[in-house]
Amino acid sequence: NAGVTQTPKFRILKIGQSMTLQCTQDMNHNYMYWYRQDPGMGLKLIYYSVGAGITDKGEVPNGYNVSRSTTEDFPLRLELAAPSQTSVYFCATGLSGNTIYFGEGSWLTVV
Amino acid sequence: KQEVTQIPAALSVPEGENLVLNCSFTDSAIYNLQWFRQDPGKGLTSLLLIQSSQREQTSGRLNASLDKSSGRSTLYIAASQPGDSATYLCAVEETSGSRLTFGEGTQLTVNP
Repeated sequence: NAGVTQTPKFRILKIGQSMTLQCTQDMNHNYMYWYRQDPGMGLKLIYYSVGAGITDKGEVPNGYNVSRSTTEDFPLRLELAAPSQTSVYFCATGLSGNTIYFGEGSWLTVV
Repeated sequence: KQEVTQIPAALSVPEGENLVLNCSFTDSAIYNLQWFRQDPGKGLTSLLLIQSSQREQTSGRLNASLDKSSGRSTLYIAASQPGDSATYLCAVEETSGSRLTFGEGTQLTVNP
């Protein structure tokens, strides 16, 4: 039981490049989330999903896209990377009203 | 818009001390509140979850309380140990399955 798996762990992007952060869970949770955490700050919600085929914007969605074709996978797409997207990205999963489980994080630097 | 504040931002204590971390939120209509621990370079680990109908939850040396009417929660750590050193974050969920709103965390250092 791997829980929540994020890849890659570290990535350096050039301004204007695109990439996808992968998130996979094996806990059969319906809710999945993408957060970003800037240094010394709390987590801000980018996008979330309440089930396969359903996604919704969070607090800071600009510059990102998501899809949820299966229960297990919730990839986060960065289009036209900007320095402001340098951050640590966390994927999380959970069941309604219950404990949220986080992945180990993906460190992204845009130069 | 829900806002979550944690005080203090950082705390340094000697080993063995009992301590309290504070979390306040602006909208009392919450579904639940969670306390998380984050070690450097790691993801978040859930410590305690308090449903809106509950007043407190306990796990080992940790006790979390919730006062919805005043918009406050506290995390009490008894007999602190160096291994407790980490950042502690609280988060509120406003409706079932909705987004969590996080505080900025309290960075705790327990000195041997």
